Amino acid sequence: EDKVVQSPLSLVVHEGDTVTLNCSYEVTNFRSLLWYKQEKKAPTFLFMLTSSGIEKKSGRLSSILDKKELFSILNITATQTGDSAVYLCAVEGAQKLVFGQGTRLTINP
Amino acid sequence: GAVVSQHPSWVICKSGTSVKIECRSLDFQATTMFWYRQFPKQSLMLMATSNEGSKATYEQGVEKDKFLINHASLTLSTLTVTSAHPEDSSFYICSATNQGNALYEQYFGPGTRLTVT
Repeated sequence: EDKVVQSPLSLVVHEGDTVTLNCSYEVTNFRSLLWYKQEKKAPTFLFMLTSSGIEKKSGRLSSILDKKELFSILNITATQTGDSAVYLCAVEGAQKLVFGQGTRLTINP
Repeated sequence: GAVVSQHPSWVICKSGTSVKIECRSLDFQATTMFWYRQFPKQSLMLMATSNEGSKATYEQGVEKDKFLINHASLTLSTLTVTSAHPEDSSFYICSATNQGNALYEQYFGPGTRLTVT
């Protein structure tokens, strides 16, 4: 059965800190790995990763995929209170997206 | 960008009644729509995949007679929770795509929070 596991499940840091969120997966017919940010409503898309070792970057957020070890990390530098959200990792398999449990990130001022 | 809407955004109903949730793609034709359920502090779980004009494909453990899905047009899919019970209380999110097999190109609706009393 396809599985996506995120860690930590919850993280509380101070504004300005750097955080690393982890996502490991076991999926047949892997096609891509996706990161989303979910505040109160629907997830919003952050990154899509398909190739190992190539960092995707958007402002203070970056992500990388390791297809050999079957994991990805999402880094957020110089965190701000607006980064507080649940971060979801999802893996695209043959027929559907499989989501991890999410990491609830809280940034304290 | 592609916009997906859901209606209602929240609904409270009594146990035993049925509730219909609509999912619309506003500026594109959605060949495929997905319905997810998210319980508090848990992740999104796919319930079913719906292709326009054909029967929905349900995930294992999801009762198709309880969660009726209709995708009658390229811009509208509906999920009806029949004979709702308190354990059906959840956040229901739809997504839509017009990219066939490109599942990463899903656009999510804002979700519908269902509370069954």
